[in-house]
Amino acid sequence: QSALTQPASVSGFPGQPITISCTGTSSDVGGYNYVSWYQQYPGKAPKLMIYEVSNRPSGVSNRFSGSKSANTASLTISGLQAEDEANYYCSSYTSSSTVVFGGGTRLTVL
Amino acid sequence: EVQLLESGGGLVQPGGSLRLSCAASGFTLSNSAMNWVRQAPGKGLEWVSGINAGGNSAYYADSVKGRFFISGDNSKNTLYLQINNLRAEDTAVYYCAKSLTQRVRGALDNWGQGTLVTVSS
Repeated sequence: QSALTQPASVSGFPGQPITISCTGTSSDVGGYNYVSWYQQYPGKAPKLMIYEVSNRPSGVSNRFSGSKSANTASLTISGLQAEDEANYYCSSYTSSSTVVFGGGTRLTVL
Repeated sequence: EVQLLESGGGLVQPGGSLRLSCAASGFTLSNSAMNWVRQAPGKGLEWVSGINAGGNSAYYADSVKGRFFISGDNSKNTLYLQINNLRAEDTAVYYCAKSLTQRVRGALDNWGQGTLVTVSS
């Protein structure tokens, strides 16, 4: 159950789009459409932003979108805002009937 | 409104045990898969365990298999995590999280505030 691979950090200017990648294997990301993305502010519980690769829960801004190609999933935030500065985690269901998270990506809004 | 309230964390010596509780309200526990996720200080999220709706199947991360046990009490609408033979590397905030689905698939749409477990002599 190796963690999914995410970049440690990404940054962008307000109004710009950014993309965070999440790379796994055919036993997790590539094998199932059960990829989720979470936003977490320091000291707070995570918040679900995307589920089943590209679905947004009610209340999540449509600036957030998800996609997947082969063993890599991506989270795109269009029109960056200061409030988007947070840590982002991907997760995937696995062939072992477990869930695995990525190592997390710190997003900085410049 | 869905609410999850964890309790039971604390300071425990290596080799000790604890039982974490997660009191659920605003939904029926038996209708959703439930999970425990932990986060060591300054580190990322780690999925620990999950249980399908109805409690017929439970799953564990390799790092805790054989030491942690997840269960639910539908009469109390409460989820539990029994953690045994604790190690220093188990020190973390433990979150209870509800799944969108009835089977463990991820998609954790509601989280508690977390309870801190510290393993130290």
